[in-house]
Amino acid sequence: GDSVTQTEGLVTLTKGLPVMLNCTYQTTYSPFLFWYVQHLNEAPKLLLKSSTDNKRTEHQGFYATLHKSSSSFHLQKSSVQLSDSALYFCALRRYGSSGNKLIFGIGTLLSVKP
Amino acid sequence: GGIITQTPKFLIGQEGQKLTLKCQQNFNHDTMYWYRQDSGKGLRLIYYSITENDLQKGDLSEGYDASREKKSSFSLTVTSAQKNEMAVFLCASSIDWGHSYEQYFGPGTRLTVL
Repeated sequence: GDSVTQTEGLVTLTKGLPVMLNCTYQTTYSPFLFWYVQHLNEAPKLLLKSSTDNKRTEHQGFYATLHKSSSSFHLQKSSVQLSDSALYFCALRRYGSSGNKLIFGIGTLLSVKP
Repeated sequence: GGIITQTPKFLIGQEGQKLTLKCQQNFNHDTMYWYRQDSGKGLRLIYYSITENDLQKGDLSEGYDASREKKSSFSLTVTSAQKNEMAVFLCASSIDWGHSYEQYFGPGTRLTVL
């Protein structure tokens, strides 16, 4: 069945350094991937989405490229800020008979230190 | 823009108790969702509804009931709270047309069972 894998549970970085959060997926359908960000005690919010192979998508300094050949949609940023500390979820659109269901990874907690 | 409201924000129950969580959205979205968020397990779909009076089971529906009384509201009932259970329940909604597939989330209800 469809699945999403995020390999890092916790990533700790110093402010100003680059970051890459891993996301790989499995599906037999055409993939549609999402990154959601959840700050402490807040609602998850959409950060990025893509269904186009090999095209970089960007928002708020974060970027990701869907690579169908490697089934990946890694999230990157060139210089992290303290305000980027949050929980990041990768999600895959799940095809079915009804509704726009998503399958979520377990999440990666990004902690940025001064 | 719209907003999703969840009540209560915090819910403390006793083992075996029946507990109800409520969600309201003013996006005028057709589909609404209930997720359970546990640390290290991501977001797991409990129930969803594609229109008023519709109910569809998710991956984690056992132990829960749901009700979509009208388009703007979706409630979730924990039929028998489990001792020492702690989780966050997130409500979401989405548009059913177009190619957005984005889900909008509420801030969550935090459940603690004593």
